[in-house]
Amino acid sequence: AQSVAQPEDQVNVAEGNPLTVKCTYSVSGNPYLFWYVQYPNRGLQFLLKYITGDNLVKGSYGFEAEFNKSQTSFHLKKPSALVSDSALYFCAVREPASNTGKLIFGQGTTLQVKP
Amino acid sequence: DADVTQTPRNRITKTGKRIMLECSQTKGHDRMYWYRQDPGLGLRLIYYSFDVKDINKGEISDGYSVSRQAQAKFSLSLESAIPNQTALYFCATSEMRTGLYNEQFFGPGTRLTVL
Repeated sequence: AQSVAQPEDQVNVAEGNPLTVKCTYSVSGNPYLFWYVQYPNRGLQFLLKYITGDNLVKGSYGFEAEFNKSQTSFHLKKPSALVSDSALYFCAVREPASNTGKLIFGQGTTLQVKP
Repeated sequence: DADVTQTPRNRITKTGKRIMLECSQTKGHDRMYWYRQDPGLGLRLIYYSFDVKDINKGEISDGYSVSRQAQAKFSLSLESAIPNQTALYFCATSEMRTGLYNEQFFGPGTRLTVL
């Protein structure tokens, strides 16, 4: 069965430092991978996705993610964190063999960026 | 995403009451989804619909029912609410026409408390 794991409940980073939010997945075949961000009292917003091609994917707000097939990982990164990046981040995977469009979400990682 | 709206935004109810959560979208998408979010568990799929005549159960459909009244409207009902249905509920939409890997767009959520 497909699954997604976000091993860290919370990540703390100082403003201006690089940040990484980790995600690993388990899926049969080649995965479709997504990152979403949830700000307080808001719905989830799409950040970026990996479908195929270049392993480094660039998304909204300066975020990027690196797909690593051998490590089954899709870590979210940003070179220089902002206080406004503080939010809850979700990794999600979609099984390519399925036509349903269903996403399986990780449990979420809270990112705290301190001034 | 302002194109996906949910009503009500907050609701407190009592055990045994019937509750309906409504979702409307102006994105013209075919697919609509209902998720619930619980702390530490991420988002879990309750029901999804590809069109008015195509409704499918997700991983946690017990205790819930849905109605797709039109392409733009997808309602979630709790026939007899129980306390462990206290959660944050999200509606989402995605487009089907252009491929299998389109991201989902989320509403702002409904916070439901069952006493």
